[in-house]
Amino acid sequence: LAKTTQPISMDSYEGQEVNITCSHNNIATNDYITWYQQFPSQGPRFIIQGYKTKVTNEVASLFIPADRKSSTLSLPRVSLSDTAVYYCLVGESTGGFKTIFGAGTRLFVKA
Amino acid sequence: DSGVTQTPKHLITATGQRVTLRCSPRSGDLSVYWYQQSLDQGLQFLIQYYNGEERAKGNILERFSAQQFPDLHSELNLSSLELGDSALYFCASSTRPGQNMNTEAFFGQGTRLTVV
Repeated sequence: LAKTTQPISMDSYEGQEVNITCSHNNIATNDYITWYQQFPSQGPRFIIQGYKTKVTNEVASLFIPADRKSSTLSLPRVSLSDTAVYYCLVGESTGGFKTIFGAGTRLFVKA
Repeated sequence: DSGVTQTPKHLITATGQRVTLRCSPRSGDLSVYWYQQSLDQGLQFLIQYYNGEERAKGNILERFSAQQFPDLHSELNLSSLELGDSALYFCASSTRPGQNMNTEAFFGQGTRLTVV
């Protein structure tokens, strides 16, 4: 089971680009990397998912190096409403599916 | 709105009691997952069902049980409640069972359980 390591917290200012890096040294061949966002007292919300190289959607970009032992979530031009906890997840590739959430990164965006 | 419905939104009960939390997955989703989130533990995976069958088990206590019914809704039963069971309980659903692939899961708004 791949374990993930992320910074506990990060601060940023409105309009800046934020990069959150996640380490997952034990990632398996069939595992995907997924990021979720969670606001207080709400359920996590899917942001982006990738397997290798770069993935971009309307919300974020995900950079994954060739060895796949880490990944970086990039949030362009953050706003106050991006203040949330961001979770990096690595897919369980054996029989059954368990979404294992780590402690996440608490991002605080200041004005 | 994720399409996943959880009821009730809030629940207050006494120690030793038993409660049932209900989850209706998104239309067409066959997988249902249950998570517990308390202040000091983060999000903990409890159990997963796929099309009525238990698929994966996490850190679920023996006092807790779950099932998924033919109409795909799921219930999480918590018995002999303790103060430490106070937490947010989330249900999530997805289309595929997830074997050999990761897949996006959609979370409900949660049930806040307070044990007094």
